[in-house]
Amino acid sequence: AQSVTQLDSQVPVFEEAPVELRCNYSSSVSVYLFWYVQYPNQGLQLLLKYLSGSTLVESINGFEAEFNKSQTSFHLRKPSVHISDTAEYFCAVTRSGGYQKVTFGIGTKLQVIP
Amino acid sequence: KAGVTQTPRYLIKTRGQQVTLSCSPISGHRSVSWYQQTPGQGLQFLFEYFSETQRNKGNFPGRFSGRQFSNSRSEMNVSTLELGDSALYLCASGPGTGTYNEQFFGPGTRLTVL
Repeated sequence: AQSVTQLDSQVPVFEEAPVELRCNYSSSVSVYLFWYVQYPNQGLQLLLKYLSGSTLVESINGFEAEFNKSQTSFHLRKPSVHISDTAEYFCAVTRSGGYQKVTFGIGTKLQVIP
Repeated sequence: KAGVTQTPRYLIKTRGQQVTLSCSPISGHRSVSWYQQTPGQGLQFLFEYFSETQRNKGNFPGRFSGRQFSNSRSEMNVSTLELGDSALYLCASGPGTGTYNEQFFGPGTRLTVL
C-alpha cells in the first residue's frame, strides 16, 4: 500500500514570492505522482503528473515539481505566485504499471497575500 | 465535452436519515470513483465502479454503498446518517483503463448532517 504526506496544512506567501509545497510518499513499488489543485467551491483539477522520464515536470501556469526517488519526494514549486494561485493543493500517488487506485494527501492550502 | 456533473450540489439532512447522491461522468468514461473530503482528512476513497461492477473499495462502513448504471452514471447512498458524515462528496470519472488512473472530478455535493 502507498501513502502520501503533506507536511504543511497551510502556507501563506506574499504575492510574487516563491513557494514550495512539500509532498513525501511511501511505497514499496514504482509509483506515478500527481498534483491536483482545488479552487473554492470546485472539484479537483490535475495540475501536473510524473509517470516516467524526466524527473522535472511542469504545468502550463508556471508550477513545477521534481520527482526525487531517493528522498521519496515530489515537491511543488513556483518562482513567483499570483493572487489567483490561492487554492488547496493535493499530492497524490498511485502504483505504476496500469490502472490503480489513487491515494491522496490531506492537502495544503496556499494563501497568497497581496 | 461536458464535464462531470453531480447532483444535488448541496444537501441538508438530519441524523438517521438516508441520502442518495448522483454523478454523471464525462461521455465515454466507464469508471466512476467516489471520495469523501473533510478538513484535516483530505480525500478518502470510498469506492470505484467500472462497467457496473465495483472494482475497488475503501475502508468505509457498510452504510456507504454505491452502484453504477449501464450508461455509466453512478449513485452513492448513505444510510442512517451520522453527524460525522458531513463532508464534501466528490465524484471522479475516467476511461477506466490505460497507463494510469486518469481522473476528472466533479464539483462535489456538500452534505450537512444536523
